[in-house]
Amino acid sequence: EIVLTQSPGTLYLSPGERATLSCRASQSVSSNYLAWYQQQPGQAPRLLIFGASSRATGIPDSFSGSGSGTDFTLTISRLEPEDFAVYYCQQYGSSPWTFGQGTKVEIK
Amino acid sequence: QVQLVESGGDLVKPGGSLRLSCAASGFALSDYYMNWIRQAPGKGLEWVSHISGSYDIYYADSVKGRFTISRDNTKNSLYLEMNSLRADDTAVYYCARNWGSFDSWGQGTLVTVSS
Repeated sequence: EIVLTQSPGTLYLSPGERATLSCRASQSVSSNYLAWYQQQPGQAPRLLIFGASSRATGIPDSFSGSGSGTDFTLTISRLEPEDFAVYYCQQYGSSPWTFGQGTKVEIK
Repeated sequence: QVQLVESGGDLVKPGGSLRLSCAASGFALSDYYMNWIRQAPGKGLEWVSHISGSYDIYYADSVKGRFTISRDNTKNSLYLEMNSLRADDTAVYYCARNWGSFDSWGQGTLVTVSS
């Protein structure tokens, strides 16, 4: 099973700032099958990025994903008020599909 | 548009059983892989089970032998039969469609296992 470790656990930033979230895999993620999700309180997760760097439908270009192998990054170029949420990475390259433990982006 | 609506969550005693349903609309269930994913209160996401269009089925080790996933393409619905429930099965259960990543999720249904 591939273990995904996200860092930091919590990121304290102000609106307008840049957010950089990290996801490290315990072994190489096949074909860079790595996704990022955003979850607001009381809501289901929403797909942001798939294939490590492709934005899902309707996701603004302020969100970008990068990385390969075992190290992946989600960048939010300029935080909007609605971007303060919990973010999860997830690999779907090998079964069982696994999620990271999440990074919470909080208002400073 | 694509919509997934879960139902069936309830309060159940340890050792009990429950059946969750997920009604799909806006797409044909038969064309996609479908999954159950859960989230314990205040915790992260855990993939539970997967069923493909050709009925290949996978389970997380934590539920293997206790949970059964199934689908009825004529009703465009997904199911999760849960037996021998334990306190650590308490969670919001989401159904999610995937073709690779999980691109559509339902709103979730809460299962509470407590005496």
